[in-house]
Amino acid sequence: SQQGEEDPQALSIQEGENATMNCSYKTSINNLQWYRQNSGRGLVHLILIRSNEREKHSGRLRVTLDTSKKSSSLLITASRAADTASYFCAAISSGSARQLTFGSGTQLTVLP
Amino acid sequence: DAGITQSPRHKVTETGTPVTLRCHQTENHRYMYWYRQDPGHGLRLIHYSYGVKDTDKGEVSDGYSVSRSKTEDFLLTLESATSSQTSVYFCAISPGQGVGEQYFGPGTRLTVT
Repeated sequence: SQQGEEDPQALSIQEGENATMNCSYKTSINNLQWYRQNSGRGLVHLILIRSNEREKHSGRLRVTLDTSKKSSSLLITASRAADTASYFCAAISSGSARQLTFGSGTQLTVLP
Repeated sequence: DAGITQSPRHKVTETGTPVTLRCHQTENHRYMYWYRQDPGHGLRLIHYSYGVKDTDKGEVSDGYSVSRSKTEDFLLTLESATSSQTSVYFCAISPGQGVGEQYFGPGTRLTVT
């Protein structure tokens, strides 16, 4: 079963605009992570937010976490054509299991 | 790609044949993972390892076995490949206690005909 579910499934924007992707999850988590995957490549880790954190920044990325709503969002500001990729949220559940459960991803297209 | 390689990168095999995929890391990380990626499903965990000879099942482990005899190598075996195992397989590694970020290999595209 998938822990994270992204919304929207696909997003198309113009270069320079901001892109927001949302993720919902089902169980209590240790942390939530966001990954990027360019076509035909492996996943690249972007950012990790712990369950006791509410917001985190890394360069043009801003992640928020609302544990009461079991949701997270990823904001990419001032998007570039090179940001075109699939973005996945993934969660580590609370407890002893060391398993990262992925959502099905958001396909972001940034048009030049 | 964080010192992680996968071999082969592409493989076509026939139904019923055994297949072994190899993941090799140079980072000396304790945790290693095998995922499969299929359209509409994201990544799903097959098996993972938390040390030499220490492995556990993931969400979709049926039809797969793994072995880890050295820290740097994690092998995924399909004992008798089926068409439903056609997929892209990714290996990942994670430092520390396995609750942090994971670093992924480039993937192996497996086609079972």
